[in-house]
Amino acid sequence: ETGVTQSPTHLIKTRGQQVTLRCSSQSGHNTVSWYQQALGQGPQFIFQYYREEENGRGNFPPRFSGLQFPNYSSELNVNALELDDSALYLCASSRSGRVSHNEQFFGPGTRLTVL
Amino acid sequence: QKEVEQDPGPLSVPEGAIVSLNCTYSNSAFQYFMWYRQYSRKGPELLMYTYSSGNKEDGRFTAQVDKSSKYISLFIRDSQPSDSATYLCAGLMDTGRRALTFGSGTRLQVQP
Repeated sequence: ETGVTQSPTHLIKTRGQQVTLRCSSQSGHNTVSWYQQALGQGPQFIFQYYREEENGRGNFPPRFSGLQFPNYSSELNVNALELDDSALYLCASSRSGRVSHNEQFFGPGTRLTVL
Repeated sequence: QKEVEQDPGPLSVPEGAIVSLNCTYSNSAFQYFMWYRQYSRKGPELLMYTYSSGNKEDGRFTAQVDKSSKYISLFIRDSQPSDSATYLCAGLMDTGRRALTFGSGTRLQVQP
């Protein structure tokens, strides 16, 4: 298993609510990426944080936002939840600046259900 | 058209068979290619990555990339029931957006 941890494991929310998901990156990694994986699909890139700044964003609306902290842990916030936001949310950590920076290691994910 | 296409399967093989998993991609800017294995209700686990065209071998696994035809393959030799999982291929650009672009995954079942 990787050293990437995510919390909570599962979450149930209702439409219109807000949610915060958390990720602790692997030791020595300074970059965190967030992905959304719908059932039966591959993960889709939401955004990436490097040294506390957003470093790229996928095709997701502004109600998806994030933060990275000085210890490189990260949060994903989703406002005004919609039914289609139900998915597995994955956090991946990597180390920028070296050959290995292209290796992204995933956490176990947070399964979000929106009712 | 998706940037990375992958047959969803399921692919069912007997134990000990050689498995071939394939992807095609359309983005010429991809320089790195990854294979991840994902067990049910778990996060993806990095199996192998290759840079540009060529082969890479790691134990029972061999990854191949043919950039001229935009074709990615993963071969599993002596397949085991524990190999039963969904296999995801992904492409990554060398510059710009450092985001993995995944295929939809192929579900593999290895029958004992």
